Amino acid sequence: QLQLQESGPGLVKPSETLSLTCSVSGGSISSRSYYWGLIRQPPGKGLEWIASIYYTGSTYYNPSLKSRVTISVDTSKNQFSLKLTSVTAADTAVYHCARSGYYVRYFDHWGQGTLVTVSS
Amino acid sequence: EIVLTQSPGTLSLSPGERATLSCRASQTVGSSYLAWYQQKSGQAPRLLIYGASSRATGIPDRFSGSGSGTDFTLTISRLEPEDFAVYYCQQYARSPETFGQGTKVEIK
Repeated sequence: QLQLQESGPGLVKPSETLSLTCSVSGGSISSRSYYWGLIRQPPGKGLEWIASIYYTGSTYYNPSLKSRVTISVDTSKNQFSLKLTSVTAADTAVYHCARSGYYVRYFDHWGQGTLVTVSS
Repeated sequence: EIVLTQSPGTLSLSPGERATLSCRASQTVGSSYLAWYQQKSGQAPRLLIYGASSRATGIPDRFSGSGSGTDFTLTISRLEPEDFAVYYCQQYARSPETFGQGTKVEIK
């Protein structure tokens, strides 16, 4: 059974870089059929797609965050990672890893999510 | 980007009643590029419906989706206690993929 697990620091200082890793188990990140993405949810609010990556390294980003976001993949570790620079309190959220189809990009598997708080 | 507006914000119903949730898009998302998710407190969203009307694996048939173009509906035919949650729609017709703000289905 496919599982996604987020890991990273729970607290990041303003203006610093948020780094998260998503580990995939029960399936290969190198599958040709899927993209791997990150979605965030501020406390008590809705969902915002951040970015997605294919196992070849092909990426696409939400334009609202593109200038601050980098997503990367490590197929040898079956992981993908997010870096978000110059964070502010507005970046405080639960960050979820998720899988979508290559052609149809709804998210059929999600990680439980990890809360990242931006605070000094 | 395509903005999705869900209504109502909150739906107060009793177990056994029918729930009808709406999702309206600011631009057409075609006939099928819309998904619905259920999220319970402290949990990840769970895919319910994709392609506007196809149920995801393991989803009970009391959940159904319909619509096309800019207007979509999620119907829960008879609410079970475990169905009280927040529901989100998502479009994937055009990047960036976007979500609605959610509809909370609460116990009356």
